[in-house]
Amino acid sequence: DVKVTQSSRYLVKRTGEKVFLECVQDMDHENMFWYRQDPGLGLRLIYFSYDVKMKEKGDIPEGYSVSREKKERFSLILESASTNQTSMYLCASSSQGARRNEQFFGPGTRLTVL
Amino acid sequence: DQQVKQNSPSLSVQEGRISILNCDYTNSMFDYFLWYKKYPAEGPTFLISISSIKDKNEDGRFTVFLNKSAKHLSLHIVPSQPGDSAVYFCAASDSNAGNMLTFGGGTRLMVKP
Repeated sequence: DVKVTQSSRYLVKRTGEKVFLECVQDMDHENMFWYRQDPGLGLRLIYFSYDVKMKEKGDIPEGYSVSREKKERFSLILESASTNQTSMYLCASSSQGARRNEQFFGPGTRLTVL
Repeated sequence: DQQVKQNSPSLSVQEGRISILNCDYTNSMFDYFLWYKKYPAEGPTFLISISSIKDKNEDGRFTVFLNKSAKHLSLHIVPSQPGDSAVYFCAASDSNAGNMLTFGGGTRLMVKP
């Protein structure tokens, strides 16, 4: 069974703080993704990675950065948190094979920025 | 502008009846479509998918229909069960443009006992 874990389920941070969200998958997937989910907007892609040390911008990368130093781990960084980054953050992974479109998601991290 | 739209934010259905969730897309390059189900405080889980070479795919109580000319897909759940109450997201992919998915805004389905 694919397992994607996220380091925190809930986080409360203050404006201006640096925030790290960690994601780990155990299925040797090449692809990893970070989304944010907001009501009515669905899931919007922030960044993704096809391989170690590789990253690509998604639809809404502003205010975020990522790091992928190991295949199983993909980190999302908020350099200086702002209140409009209060959201549910979801990490996902997928293989490069025939089922590459099927992404497996972690449980999410609900981040509140005060 | 959203390339994948779910125009009904919520849907309420009686247990045992059919649930029909709809999704429209604008990008004609999308060639693979998926439905995900999300319970509160959990991540989305994959439900069913369809390739653009098909117009129907069935898996138990779940059937997805694709109308390419109308750029429309729908998910049918028959019979609906209370445990189906969740938020459903449709997603689309252009296989030639990488492994990214574009998601709709979601529809909250409530199945009443």
